[in-house]
Amino acid sequence: DAKTTQPTSMDCAEGRAANLPCNHSTISGNEYVYWYRQIHSQGPQYIIHGLKNNETNEMASLIITEDRKSSTLILPHATLRDTAVYYCIVSPPNTGNQFYFGTGTSLTVIP
Amino acid sequence: GAVVSQHPSWVICKSGTSVKIECRSLDFQATTMFWYRQFPKQSLMLMATSNEGSKATYEQGVEKDKFLINHASLTLSTLTVTSAHPEDSSFYICSASLGGSAEKLFFGSGTQLSVL
Repeated sequence: DAKTTQPTSMDCAEGRAANLPCNHSTISGNEYVYWYRQIHSQGPQYIIHGLKNNETNEMASLIITEDRKSSTLILPHATLRDTAVYYCIVSPPNTGNQFYFGTGTSLTVIP
Repeated sequence: GAVVSQHPSWVICKSGTSVKIECRSLDFQATTMFWYRQFPKQSLMLMATSNEGSKATYEQGVEKDKFLINHASLTLSTLTVTSAHPEDSSFYICSASLGGSAEKLFFGSGTQLSVL
């Protein structure tokens, strides 16, 4: 079962930063936080993942709180192509990477 | 990044027939692959974990005799929906991992199944 809660939907103005929150208050010490997004009728696309340190890559930044009970995905300059459903997933390592998806956040980037 | 290819992209079949969906890892070997199902406006639901050379592990509530999974090689897993009915119409998605600790999953592009 999914161990995360996310807002159902969010809007963001094109060119502005999109900040997507995720609550994972029951996360265990060895569980990683993963973010994926899904554009309509496609398979999910990997964005970023982390354990406890903040992470950044060419797509986004991941900010994990010190107590690891929540995190925020940041898309620094949202474009129309970033409109998608964003999923936050927690999963322990070495379990075969079984990912259980929650309901996700539907992000709409507005021109 | 690693590529997972899924085929076909969409399929329409008559009720009572069986449909096979293929999932291939194109540039890496995947000991474990996963099959998901997604209904319109809903999230992905994990159906089963496919292990190369052994029986698949099914999630609770998923009928193993209806959704046959074969993982005969390190690059290919197949899902067969047997005796399909209209309620089996859904978007089916496979994924694979490079393995190792905290490794991310790579997903196929999905198969839209419509059962008439």
